[in-house]
Amino acid sequence: DSGVTQTPKHLITATGQRVTLRCSPRSGDLSVYWYQQSLDQGLQFLIHYYNGEERAKGNILERFSAQQFPDLHSELNLSSLELGDSALYFCASSPLSGGGGAFFGQGTRLTVV
Amino acid sequence: QQQVKQSPQSLIVQKGGISIINCAYENTAFDYFPWYQQFPGKGPALLIAIRPDVSEKKEGRFTISFNKSAKQFSLHIMDSQPGDSATYFCAASGRGSTLGRLYFGRGTQLTVWP
Repeated sequence: DSGVTQTPKHLITATGQRVTLRCSPRSGDLSVYWYQQSLDQGLQFLIHYYNGEERAKGNILERFSAQQFPDLHSELNLSSLELGDSALYFCASSPLSGGGGAFFGQGTRLTVV
Repeated sequence: QQQVKQSPQSLIVQKGGISIINCAYENTAFDYFPWYQQFPGKGPALLIAIRPDVSEKKEGRFTISFNKSAKQFSLHIMDSQPGDSATYFCAASGRGSTLGRLYFGRGTQLTVWP
């Protein structure tokens, strides 16, 4: 158990809908990263937050947004969902502001039908 | 552009054998090189990591070899076991906001036959 908690574990929704994925980092970790994993793209970095502030953006679509709250938990919002958004979404946390390793949650499997 | 290249894509090894997975990187600003192990339906788990000031790091049956001049690093799994069957990812990260995230290789699916 990495100490990173993600909810829900599975999510099935229809195209055009909006969903929110939640992440609780390890105790004391200030950084939260979001990654998307699909068979064709591998593990793709989406966004990084450190202590409530956005630090870096990766291949994140404009339909997607995230935030980190004062209690350090983070939410990833996915809107106007398309079939191609079906993937595993991972949250990872780290005590550092950047660099070093990160500890991953179990992921949320999103299926868009 | 793939900043970390990993090979092979899949690997089949007999129980007791040595599994070797290789990675190469381009950005010399990377200063942390972890390996992750992922089982189906689970998140990647940090297995072992190395910094470029050492050429080798060993933890149990897992060893990272690092060649700074060649910009390559590899994972060796000694006495491979069926329980090691998983997907392995190499990764790299550096300092600063642009490099602080992990750059992953595409993964190697390891199968260890009993």
